[in-house]
Amino acid sequence: DSGVTQTPKHLITATGQRVTLRCSPRSGDLSVYWYQQSLDQGLQFLIQYYNGEERAKGNILERFSAQQFPDLHSELNLSSLELGDSALYFCASSVVPGGAEAFFGQGTRLTVV
Amino acid sequence: GENVEQHPSTLSVQEGDSAVIKCTYSDSASNYFPWYKQELGKRPQLIIDIRSNVGEKKDQRIAVTLNKTAKHFSLHITETQPEDSAVYFCAASKGSGNTGKLIFGQGTTLQVKP
Repeated sequence: DSGVTQTPKHLITATGQRVTLRCSPRSGDLSVYWYQQSLDQGLQFLIQYYNGEERAKGNILERFSAQQFPDLHSELNLSSLELGDSALYFCASSVVPGGAEAFFGQGTRLTVV
Repeated sequence: GENVEQHPSTLSVQEGDSAVIKCTYSDSASNYFPWYKQELGKRPQLIIDIRSNVGEKKDQRIAVTLNKTAKHFSLHITETQPEDSAVYFCAASKGSGNTGKLIFGQGTTLQVKP
C-alpha cells in the first residue's frame, strides 16, 4: 500500500458524460500529480498541484480540469467524455514538487461506452 | 520539449541472465531519474532512483548508471527471476524548486523465461 488512495477503482460511463476522479495523497505529501495511461501506452503527465496551487500542466485536454483542496486531496474532472478517454488514470504524490519519490495510487480505470 | 526515449520496448531473457534497459532524456536541466516497475493491472512502484551528482547506484540485483554528458541512463538487472517480469518505466525530472513532474519513457516489457 503506497498510502495514496484513489476512488473509484472502476468507472463505466457513456460518451458525453462527466465524471470526477478523487485522490487522497500520502499523509504529509503536498504535491499531487495526475497521469493517464492508455492501453499499451506509457504514463502521460496531465497536471500537477502543490499545496493547493497548479504547478505544471502537461497534455491535458480542455475538457479535463483538476483542483487540489485545502485538505490536499485532489479531483480530476473529465467532461464530454469520448471513447478515446478510456484509460487508467493514476494519481501520485510526493513530499516536495521535485527530486523526491512519487508514490502512485492504484488508479481509476475509466471505460467510456 | 521534454522527452524521454526508452529502449528496447520488449525484452525477453532466460532466468539467471542479465537485462539492460536504456533511456535518453532531452532536458539537460533534469537531475532526478527514477525507475518504476509496473505489474499487470497494478500501480507503478519505484525500484531505484539516481540523482545527477551520482554516476552509479546499486541495490542488490538492480543497478542504475547515469551519464549526464550524453544524457543517458540505464537500468541493469542481474540474475533475473520470473518475478522480475513486468513493465519497467524510466523517468526524468528537474529537482526541487521546479515542478518536479516526471516525464516517463514509453516502457519496456521484460519477460523472464524460467
